[in-house]
Amino acid sequence: GQQVMQIPQYQHVQEGEDFTTYCNSSTTLSNIQWYKQRPGGHPVFLIQLVKSGEVKKQKRLTFQFGEAKKNSSLHITATQTTDVGTYFCAGSNDYKLSFGAGTTVTVRA
Amino acid sequence: EAGVAQSPRYKIIEKRQSVAFWCNPISGHATLYWYQQILGQGPKLLIQFQNNGVVDDSQLPKDRFSAERLKGVDSTLKIQPAKLEDSAVYLCASSSIDRGNEKLFFGSGTQLSVL
Repeated sequence: GQQVMQIPQYQHVQEGEDFTTYCNSSTTLSNIQWYKQRPGGHPVFLIQLVKSGEVKKQKRLTFQFGEAKKNSSLHITATQTTDVGTYFCAGSNDYKLSFGAGTTVTVRA
Repeated sequence: EAGVAQSPRYKIIEKRQSVAFWCNPISGHATLYWYQQILGQGPKLLIQFQNNGVVDDSQLPKDRFSAERLKGVDSTLKIQPAKLEDSAVYLCASSSIDRGNEKLFFGSGTQLSVL
């Protein structure tokens, strides 16, 4: 079945630095969604990418969907303490949404 | 707009006991999902409803888990009997159209501890 993998599992970032987390699917996706889960909270929708090569920005967050629609990335610039949490990608194929294991981000002030 | 409501927030039971969780989705959302999230992992779909019909329950352990969505609104998820490995957060989510084309709104979840 469809598998979605995320790397790295953990990301320790100095405040103010940039980092990227990656999402890879074993199958071609119809779209990909990103969610953020704060410690002790529930996943909250961030964005959905549909088109091959699509790039979307939300303030300091940049999301990209690969040309083959099998991978995606989330790049955060100038990391802040508010960016702490776990970022999940969720790939959709044949109307089935599969979540990756997430990248847990901690920030050093 | 009110969000997805879940109760209880926490539940502690002993193995072999039964437990039930309740979910009230966002008004007007036809699709409802139950996810299991084990600590350190991503949410895993247990069951998806479209109105009051089951769309996908391929990953639901049917020998012990059951779910229903009467009248296409509220839903309950039951575990009977519980095992130690069922310790997890059970998340309910809803969306206005079929999964894959619409974002999911999650409830706060029920944290289950099986001792």
